[in-house]
Amino acid sequence: DVKVTQSSRYLVKRTGEKVFLECVQDMDHENMFWYRQDPGLGLRLIYFSYDVKMKEKGDIPEGYSVSREKKERFSLILESASTNQTSMYLCASSLSGGTASNQPQHFGDGTRLSIL
Amino acid sequence: AQKVTQAQTEISVVEKEDVTLDCVYETRDTTYYLFWYKQPPSGELVFLIRRNSFDEQNEISGRYSWNFQKSTSSFNFTITASQVVDSAVYFCALSELRRKAAGNKLTFGGGTRVLVKP
Repeated sequence: DVKVTQSSRYLVKRTGEKVFLECVQDMDHENMFWYRQDPGLGLRLIYFSYDVKMKEKGDIPEGYSVSREKKERFSLILESASTNQTSMYLCASSLSGGTASNQPQHFGDGTRLSIL
Repeated sequence: AQKVTQAQTEISVVEKEDVTLDCVYETRDTTYYLFWYKQPPSGELVFLIRRNSFDEQNEISGRYSWNFQKSTSSFNFTITASQVVDSAVYFCALSELRRKAAGNKLTFGGGTRVLVKP
C-alpha cells in the first residue's frame, strides 16, 4: 500500500513565524501535491511538483512556497504565517505515466495547523 | 476553468437507508477523469473510484454504485443500505488533462458530509 506521511497531525504557530510542513511518500511517485481544506470549499491546490526540483503553482499559492529536493519528500513553507492560513493541510502523491490525468492521488492524514 | 459542484453539504440518514450524493462538473476538455474520495473522521482521503469521460457505463462495487451521465455532466454516487461506518465526507473530483510529465491536477467539489445514524 502507498504510504503518505505528514510530519505532524496538529501544529500551533504564531503570526509571523516561518512554518514548515513535511510530507514523505514511500512509493516512488513522481507527483506530489499540497492542498488546504476548509469547510465548504473542499480541497484547494496550493502547489504541486511533478519531478525533483520542479514545481508549479496551484490555485492558491500566495503566501506559500515549496521545496522538493528529493523525490520522496515535498515540503510546504509558510514564509510568514498569518491567521488566515489556519486550516487543514493535506499532502498527496501520484504516479505519472500513461495519461497522467488518470492516476489517483494518495493522501496523507493531514496536518491541522492553527496560527495564533 | 474546471469546476465541480456538490450541492448537498450534509445528508443525514438512518442505517439501512440508501443515500445518493450528487456531483455536477464543468470542463472544456473532451477527455477527462472523474474521481470519488471518502474522508472518514480520521482525516485521510481514501480513493473510491475513477471514471474516464469515454466510459459511461455505470459501476457497482458492493454497496457502492456510480451513475455517470455525460449529457448532464453528472457523476452521482449511491450508497445502498447505508451503515454507520459510511459516515464520512465524500468528495467528487475532476482531473485536468495535462501533458504526461506534468502530473494530474484535481479540482474538488466542496464535499458532502454523510451522517448515518444507527
